[in-house]
Amino acid sequence: EIVLTQSPGTLSLSPGERATLSCRASQSVSSNYLAWYQQKPGQAPRLLIYGASSRATGIPDRFSGSGSGTDFTLTITRLEPEDFAVYYCQQYGSSPIFGQGTKLEIK
Amino acid sequence: EVQLLESGGGLVQPGGSLRLSCAASGFTFSSYAMSWVRQTPGKGLEWVSTISGSGDYTYYADSVKGRFTISRDNSKNTLYLQMNSLRAEDTALYYCVRYSSGWLLVYWGQGTLVTVSS
Repeated sequence: EIVLTQSPGTLSLSPGERATLSCRASQSVSSNYLAWYQQKPGQAPRLLIYGASSRATGIPDRFSGSGSGTDFTLTITRLEPEDFAVYYCQQYGSSPIFGQGTKLEIK
Repeated sequence: EVQLLESGGGLVQPGGSLRLSCAASGFTFSSYAMSWVRQTPGKGLEWVSTISGSGDYTYYADSVKGRFTISRDNSKNTLYLQMNSLRAEDTALYYCVRYSSGWLLVYWGQGTLVTVSS
């Protein structure tokens, strides 16, 4: 079974800065079935990115995904106050697997 | 608008049972696979189970296999999770989630809290 490891565990940045979040898989993710979710306190996760690099409906273009195989990255350019949250990567399918999450906090 | 409303959570003793329900609206329920995903503060998000749109196919995480049963009633637009032999480690917020056509978990309910404790 694939294990997804996210780094760093916590990222402290200021609004306006650029955030780079990493997701590494223990084996290749088939067909780039890699998604990213954002979760704010008290809310359900929200889909941001699918297919490693495609933005979901309504997601601002400051969010971008990249990578293939075992190494994937979520980049947020010019952080807005509402972007501070926990981010999860996920291999999707009938039996999805989640990473442990990266908390993006205000510095 | 897609809406998913979970219910049935609560406090239960170890070894006990609970049935969660998820009332769906705003889409053709039988056309979409559905999942249960749970979340604990210590372990983040964990997929629990998936059922196909017809109900013919089901999938379970190893941690719940043999104890939990996912089912659906397409005439009532409702998803279920029957949880037996509950353990303390099953304590979590349980989300009902709808797939897209491409196996993406797109629409999430707000969750129902299950606490397993004596």
